[in-house]
Amino acid sequence: KQEVTQIPAALSVPEGENLVLNCSFTDSAIYNLQWFRQDPGKGLTSLLLIQSSQREQTSGRLNASLDKSSGRSTLYIAASQPGDSATYLCAVGGSEKLVFGKGMKLTVNP
Amino acid sequence: NAGVMQNPRHLVRRRGQEARLRCSPMKGHSHVYWYRQLPEEGLKFMVYLQKENIIDESGMPKERFSAEFPKEGPSILRIQQVVRGDSAAYFCASSPLENSGNTIYFGEGSWLTVV
Repeated sequence: KQEVTQIPAALSVPEGENLVLNCSFTDSAIYNLQWFRQDPGKGLTSLLLIQSSQREQTSGRLNASLDKSSGRSTLYIAASQPGDSATYLCAVGGSEKLVFGKGMKLTVNP
Repeated sequence: NAGVMQNPRHLVRRRGQEARLRCSPMKGHSHVYWYRQLPEEGLKFMVYLQKENIIDESGMPKERFSAEFPKEGPSILRIQQVVRGDSAAYFCASSPLENSGNTIYFGEGSWLTVV
């Protein structure tokens, strides 16, 4: 049974810091891994999708890496801004469904 | 191109009533997924449907919960005789193909409160 863990559960940083968010999963037989952002009372916005054959994906200030052999993914946020404050969710894709971590609540202070 | 549409966004029900949550997938998407987010918990898969077919309902509670995706109209998640523990955010997602390699698109969620 796939389990996804995100540690820490919350992080508070000053504006401008470069951040690394961690995600670990127990079963390396995955189709893909996605990072989502969730704002309070809102749905999920997909940030980056990494296919199982890929090592990383980049979008703007975001970079996500995937190491299937060690069961880990990291989301790197460069030059963090207050607008980055949200909950970040990691989800591992199987053939039909996603298994989510509990998320990491990020607060970027101006 | 409208995104995944869910309604109602917020629903309050008394214990014992029925809750019906609706989801219209993105245009051209034939695969619908329902996830539930309990307070302080991550999203948990509930059910995966295609038109007129339940593909995987391994995450659905055994009683009181049902889902459908008819040939015409939105997908419906139905919760009968709601209890306080059903209070959660229910998210619908859709994709054009199996989620083996495609980004899955989520709706804004339906927040159910049982009083």
